[in-house]
Amino acid sequence: KAGVTQTPRYLIKTRGQQVTLSCSPISGHRSVSWYQQTPGQGLQFLFEYFSETQRNKGNFPGRFSGRQFSNSRSEMNVSTLELGDSALYLCASSLEGGYGEKLFFGSGTQLSVL
Amino acid sequence: GIQVEQSPPDLILQEGANSTLRCNFSDSVNNLQWFHQNPWGQLINLFYIPSGTKQNGRLSATTVATERYSLLYISSSQTTDSGVYFCAVATYGNKLVFGAGTILRVKS
Repeated sequence: KAGVTQTPRYLIKTRGQQVTLSCSPISGHRSVSWYQQTPGQGLQFLFEYFSETQRNKGNFPGRFSGRQFSNSRSEMNVSTLELGDSALYLCASSLEGGYGEKLFFGSGTQLSVL
Repeated sequence: GIQVEQSPPDLILQEGANSTLRCNFSDSVNNLQWFHQNPWGQLINLFYIPSGTKQNGRLSATTVATERYSLLYISSSQTTDSGVYFCAVATYGNKLVFGAGTILRVKS
């Protein structure tokens, strides 16, 4: 069974641009979560999607958004990029995001904002 | 919100040694997971353990929910165990709050 797949692996953008990251969950998993990892703030929860609906949201500005498609694949978008958005963005999936479920992470997308 | 503290922040071991990593959390949780982040950045799920004890090969974990802490034991460490170990908790669902991690270096 294939794991969580994130594309692209690396991305370089300039301030003010926007970016879209993609995540394909493990087959059969319907819950997809996104996390941001930076040296200063560590790992922080961005949002979770289940059945094409955002179910939970972290404390990030509205420039960060996401969506989930009917096949459970998810995308996250960051608009008007800032230098501080440089980070490793990790996607995770689980069956339904419920009690007792392990979370499985992809390898991440390393975003650099210049 | 819930606070998660991990100790020690750094640990250097000789190959073959044993170690214990600790995770303290500030509130009741129904979700606690341990992860290992490898040098390529991927987070590998080691345990889902909101309470009790589990073992997987050389690794085992114990969570004492009433006292709000969890321990990860690594026995007979190998160089491939190097990396960062994270504890993450949630009061509901999968909205995990991560600790700052323990950086483990195993020397041959």
